[in-house]
Amino acid sequence: GESVGLHLPTLSVQEGDNSIINCAYSNSASDYFIWYKQESGKGPQFIIDIRSNMDKRQGQRVTVLLNKTVKHLSLQIAATQPGDSAVYFCAVTTDSWGKFQFGAGTQVVVTP
Amino acid sequence: ETGVTQTPRHLVMGMTNKKSLKCEQHLGHNAMYWYKQSAKKPLELMFVYNFKEQTENNSVPSRFSPECPNSSHLFLHLHTLQPEDSALYLCASSQDRQTYNEQFFGPGTRLTVL
Repeated sequence: GESVGLHLPTLSVQEGDNSIINCAYSNSASDYFIWYKQESGKGPQFIIDIRSNMDKRQGQRVTVLLNKTVKHLSLQIAATQPGDSAVYFCAVTTDSWGKFQFGAGTQVVVTP
Repeated sequence: ETGVTQTPRHLVMGMTNKKSLKCEQHLGHNAMYWYKQSAKKPLELMFVYNFKEQTENNSVPSRFSPECPNSSHLFLHLHTLQPEDSALYLCASSQDRQTYNEQFFGPGTRLTVL
């Protein structure tokens, strides 16, 4: 089965610095990956996704990198802002029917 | 706020109570999901409905009973729960249950079982 892990439970980042959040997965057949942001008291919110035929995808201030060789996924947030404070978790699937395995999450704390 | 609403937002119940969680989506989606989010644990899929038909039951105990009367509404009926069932219960919806359709989440119901 799929195992999804995150490298750090908490990441403290100074405002304006870049943040990097990591996720490891175990199933080499995984072919679709999502990063979610969950603010306190809210449900998860889609940030960015990537398919296995890509290594990198960029959004607004966010970049997702996929290394299939070592089964590693990362989310980079540029110029981290106070509004970026949240729990971030990855979701991974090999399935065509919306069934994902989720990481436990990394709490990002942005300090002034 | 997303187009997915959940009520109540907070619920405290005893182990002998019966209660229901409600989810409503205003996005015209055809798939709806129940997830359980326990403290410091990954999100766990519980049930999936696609076009009002249950298509997934992820080995959920029978004390949780879902109901999907139409594509816009989803309920989770609770009875004789255990303290370990205390968690955030999240509802989500998507266009249909194909993987590449984004799932939109509600804010969740924080459930405490005493």
